[in-house]
Amino acid sequence: GAGVSQSPSNKVTEKGKDVELRCDPISGHTALYWYRQSLGQGLEFLIYFQGNSAPDKSGLPSDRFSAERTGGSVSTLTIQRTQQEDSAVYLCASSFKQGAEAFFGQGTRLTVV
Amino acid sequence: GESVGLHLPTLSVQEGDNSIINCAYSNSASDYFIWYKQESGKGPQFIIDIRSNMDKRQGQRVTVLLNKTVKHLSLQIAATQPGDSAVYFCAEIKYNAGNMLTFGGGTRLMVKP
Repeated sequence: GAGVSQSPSNKVTEKGKDVELRCDPISGHTALYWYRQSLGQGLEFLIYFQGNSAPDKSGLPSDRFSAERTGGSVSTLTIQRTQQEDSAVYLCASSFKQGAEAFFGQGTRLTVV
Repeated sequence: GESVGLHLPTLSVQEGDNSIINCAYSNSASDYFIWYKQESGKGPQFIIDIRSNMDKRQGQRVTVLLNKTVKHLSLQIAATQPGDSAVYFCAEIKYNAGNMLTFGGGTRLMVKP
């Protein structure tokens, strides 16, 4: 597609449920990032995929969070047993190569009630 | 670990005035710096970048200055307009060290009519 696409755009879930957030990066982009942004705050790094290399998971806040990237393209961020503090906007970005600017999607706004 | 940027301050300027948004970085070995603009409800968008072998780069109404001596990056916006109201993030990349994009805390720019 023309840009990074994220789905759903909004998700409301009950505490304790699992959620999956999807990111479709720009075609041909080898690098993919996930960030979390709480209301009025900065970008919190979660995970970074680069080609076939092992992902950098150093930003994942707990073992309830996981992400995968299938076939070097689409990525899914999974949050298990959601908590209210997980409520935030989850942003995905992709880059055509290592060390280049990243292009962001519009984000998924997650609300845990 | 090393990081880029500060907490999230707010800068308020009058329409038509020039704006200067600052960012301090701590990784003196960073190779590439980017400024992003994030409007309400949207993902960050690339504005301008600069490589570490440069000290100034100009775009349309925007200028980025890099002072490696004091590890300081700034974004200057000329003749600030209401459409410039947004949160601005600086980001850095260090080549050959994961090539991962690392974001600073951001600055909220408010333009008064």
